[in-house]
Amino acid sequence: EVQLVESGGVVVQPGGSLRLSCAASGFTFDDYMMHWVRQAPGKGLEWVSLIRWDGGSTSYADSVKGRFTISRDNSKNSLYLQMNSLRTEDTALYYCAKDTAGGNSRFDYWGQGTLVTVSS
Amino acid sequence: DIQMTQSPSSLSASVGDRVTITCRASQSISTYLNWYQHKPGKAPKLLIYAASSLQSGVPSRFSGSGSGTDFSLTISSLQPEDFATYYCQQTYSILLTPLTFGQGTKLEIK
Repeated sequence: EVQLVESGGVVVQPGGSLRLSCAASGFTFDDYMMHWVRQAPGKGLEWVSLIRWDGGSTSYADSVKGRFTISRDNSKNSLYLQMNSLRTEDTALYYCAKDTAGGNSRFDYWGQGTLVTVSS
Repeated sequence: DIQMTQSPSSLSASVGDRVTITCRASQSISTYLNWYQHKPGKAPKLLIYAASSLQSGVPSRFSGSGSGTDFSLTISSLQPEDFATYYCQQTYSILLTPLTFGQGTKLEIK
């Protein structure tokens, strides 16, 4: 059974930093591209970042580019999101999501999310 | 960036109704379009990928169509468990342009 479990969400002050983790199981982690998606309170889904299966390529939403860094450790079946220079508008539930292999990209499994609150 | 615009933003319907949600891309995305269902407190669920392919395990009352810039999701006969928020997502040139979701369509019970 595929499982994605996010952790690391806390309350942090504006300008602070935080690292989110996503532990994956039930599939061959290093075969798949992975993503972070967030949902701010009362808002819709917003894609945040992706990382290729080997970590060789990454991409970011304009809203987080230069502040967030996605990474992965395939030996630990883990995905990470380093979040720096946090702003109040980064407050959201952060999901990790697994992409499919081949064909049109789509997110076939999602975690339950971890809550990040940026507030003074 | 490619903008995705869904309509309507909200919709009231009854069990058994046929409903259609539309999604328009700001530029052609071929069929790089997915649909998700999201319920409060749950993880989003993939319904349709590549514009019209039904994800495994999803009931056949869900269907998708379209290509280029105009897409639609249809639920042929609403069931109580279908009341949720629906999002379209474009995944065109994923390593070159940011992926984007539509703003969502909240489907409520009339």
